[in-house]
Amino acid sequence: EAGVAQSPRYKIIEKRQSVAFWCNPISGHATLYWYQQILGQGPKLLIQFQNNGVVDDSQLPKDRFSAERLKGVDSTLKIQPAKLEDSAVYLCASSPLARQGSSYEQYFGPGTRLTVT
Amino acid sequence: GDSVTQMEGPVTLSEEAFLTINCTYTATGYPSLFWYVQYPGEGLQLLLKATKADDKGSNKGFEATYRKETTSFHLEKGSVQVSDSAVYFCALINDYKLSFGAGTTVTVRA
Repeated sequence: EAGVAQSPRYKIIEKRQSVAFWCNPISGHATLYWYQQILGQGPKLLIQFQNNGVVDDSQLPKDRFSAERLKGVDSTLKIQPAKLEDSAVYLCASSPLARQGSSYEQYFGPGTRLTVT
Repeated sequence: GDSVTQMEGPVTLSEEAFLTINCTYTATGYPSLFWYVQYPGEGLQLLLKATKADDKGSNKGFEATYRKETTSFHLEKGSVQVSDSAVYFCALINDYKLSFGAGTTVTVRA
């Protein structure tokens, strides 16, 4: 079974530029997550999709971050404009349909390491 | 809200030493508990999990027991190898939301 795919693996941009990350989840997984992992910290959830609808985006800085999941399959996360503090690894994960009380394992992609200079 | 606190690192051990990484949590209801591992240059992988009190998760020689009375899920391995060098994250799922600890870096020397 193919895992979660992400691209690019690495990206270096200057502050105020824009950047986009792509994620393709495991086939059949209804739920998709984007996490931000700052060096030395655990991953922090940015947004969660169930099929193509947003379930939770309470921690997404909406003034500069946006995400979409068209057709309920792959997803893109965009930052515009980027700030120095956005330097982090952006992780995508997927799981079977998540319901209240469920404990489905989340499968993580390799991540995209973003450096903002 | 839910939170996970784990032992600060880094931890440096010799091969065949005993490893313990402490993890405690705060959550409402009945969360499921996980340990994830991140090897150098790789993504997060699930190491083991436990879904209810007194469950023991185990994998690759690692074990952790879900202790509801102490709200803990400590990770242990009796004899570590150099290949166990990685960052270990304790996590919980509650109402489908996954919350992570800050991670503990473990380095095993030959």
